[in-house]
This record gives sequence, structure tokens and C-alpha cells, in this order.
Amino acid sequence: QQQVKQSPQSLIVQKGGISIINCAYENTAFDYFPWYQQFPGKGPALLIAIRPDVSEKKEGRFTISFNKSAKQFSLHIMDSQPGDSATYFCAASHLQGAQKLVFGQGTRLTINP
Amino acid sequence: EAEVAQSPRYKITEKSQAVAFWCDPISGHATLYWYRQILGQGPELLVQFQDESVVDDSQLPKDRFSAERLKGVDSTLKIQPAELGDSAMYLCASSLQVGNEQFFGPGTRLTVL
Repeated sequence: QQQVKQSPQSLIVQKGGISIINCAYENTAFDYFPWYQQFPGKGPALLIAIRPDVSEKKEGRFTISFNKSAKQFSLHIMDSQPGDSATYFCAASHLQGAQKLVFGQGTRLTINP
Repeated sequence: EAEVAQSPRYKITEKSQAVAFWCDPISGHATLYWYRQILGQGPELLVQFQDESVVDDSQLPKDRFSAERLKGVDSTLKIQPAELGDSAMYLCASSLQVGNEQFFGPGTRLTVL
């Protein structure tokens, strides 16, 4: 019930294309859904996050779509650039209590020039 | 720009030896987290501190792992004895308070031979 399942494991997109990464969760008590970006040799960095009271959040080229009934959320990267090549992790947590983040398995994104 | 500092960046040890990792969170951050990231997987929370108190250590293998944050500032994670399966990246993160954005350090890559 604590798992967050992420797909695909790896993704190759041409420059200028749209990258889409999907996540699914089971625990309906989760109410905070962030996405992290990790470059080789670095720790993860928060990219964008959403709470379940909205179905979509957009920040620049990055958009989170959230489907509460399906218990799924996805990251869309518009106009993908080579500099977006990194590993992306979705995560989920409760806003109450210790607010422990549960991470997905990660998606290695490669943007071909 | 304030960052989470970790040392060492890399550690190679033989099984049954003791290892220790150090983390210095961003100044003023009350909450500190230690995560383990196995290659190809998402980070998994080992222990969470609020000031000097442990909030969550449910996933910490307490027979061999220990963590402390004596003065509520920097923290040390120790493994004794190290086992082959402990090879992973150990990430430290901090946040202003529980529920705020977590900022990750660059991690310590541990290899157990």
C-alpha cells in the first residue's frame, strides 16, 4: 500500500518532443505528489509538486497531470531539451504526521539532439 | 546558495568493517533525513530527525545501522558491520520543518567488497 509504481524505466525522446512519465499509487491517504530530477553524481532536486485538490499544475515546460479517481499522476515535459536528460522520480507522502516521502523506481530520460 | 554537505563522497570498505557518513544540513533546517538509494531504484527513507529527536526510523536496520544528531545540527550515519548488500548511495536531505521542501546533498557512494 506504500508503493509508488513508475513507468517507463527508461525513455528516449527527440529534442523538441514531449516526454511523459507515469506514476500510480495505492494509498488513498497520500496527499502530496512531488517530482524530483536527479543528474549523475548529484542528489535529487525538487522539480514540481501537486496536491490532490487540483488536476493539473504547470511550471514552464513541466506539467503534472493528476487523476485522483485512477490514483495516477504523470509528468509531461514539453519541448524536451538535451539538458533535460536526467533520472526523474515521482514520490508521494501524507501531509500529516512525519510526512515520509515514498519514491517511485525512477525513469532515465535521454533527449537526443 | 546554501547546500547540504556530505562527506565522504565515496567510500570503499570490506565487509565486516565499520563505516560512517557525515551530513551538514542547510543552516536553520530543523528536519534532517537519511535515505539509501540502491542503483536503479528510488531513495528509501532510513531515518528522519526533527532537531535532535528521531521521528521515524522504521526502515533503519537497527542491528547494524545507527544515526545520531546530537546537537540538532549535523548528523552521522554509521554501519557496523558493513555487508555486501549495503552497497548503495546514502543521501542526506534537510528541510526547514516537516512538510517543507526537502533539499538533498550529493550523497556518499558506498561500495562494500
